[in-house]
Amino acid sequence: DIVMTQSPATLSVSPGERATLSCWASQTVRTNLAWYQQKPGQPPRLLIYDAFTRAPGIPARFSGSGSGTDFTLTISNLQSDDFAIYYCQQYNDWPPTYTFGQGTKLEVK
Amino acid sequence: QVLLVESGGGLVKPGGSLRLSCAASRFIFSDYYMGWIRQAPGRGLEWISYISGSGRDKFYAESVKGRFTISRDNARNLLYLQMSSLRAEDTATYYCATARADDGGYYQGFEFWGQGTLVAVSS
Repeated sequence: DIVMTQSPATLSVSPGERATLSCWASQTVRTNLAWYQQKPGQPPRLLIYDAFTRAPGIPARFSGSGSGTDFTLTISNLQSDDFAIYYCQQYNDWPPTYTFGQGTKLEVK
Repeated sequence: QVLLVESGGGLVKPGGSLRLSCAASRFIFSDYYMGWIRQAPGRGLEWISYISGSGRDKFYAESVKGRFTISRDNARNLLYLQMSSLRAEDTATYYCATARADDGGYYQGFEFWGQGTLVAVSS
């Protein structure tokens, strides 16, 4: 199975600055990768799919990049609402396994 | 806006069974692949099952294969997860979600999620 690894586990950034979150796949997933945001007590929210396409309604401050095994989620001009846990998910294999990374907690510095 | 409401969670003893339901509304249910994803308390997300719009194609994570069964009733806009031989490690909040897909029907992420239903497996 494809293993997804996120780094760092916790990221401390000040409001207004930029956050860079990383996600690695144990084998190539091409661009079949999604990013989600989850706040306490809420379900996840799809941010990015196909590695770099923003889901409807997602601000341009969120951008995804990467392909193959290395991926990045960048959040510019951090707002108070952005502090949450972020997960990556691969969907390259068939039959599907849809593996999630373990998450990165983005907290206020 | 898409609405998904899970129900059926609760406390069950190890080895027991439970059926979760997900009531869908405000979209054409039969057009969408649907999935179940769970989250153990304080832990990350785990995809567990996926079903095609017709209900013909079903997929499971290894951790639940042979114990859980996904199904759907398109006439009633309901998604189900029948869980049996439950273990302590199945304790989690269970979410249902719609799958986003491109024009070719290829999965692009879980787009809309319910609020989840909590399943606790304990003696």
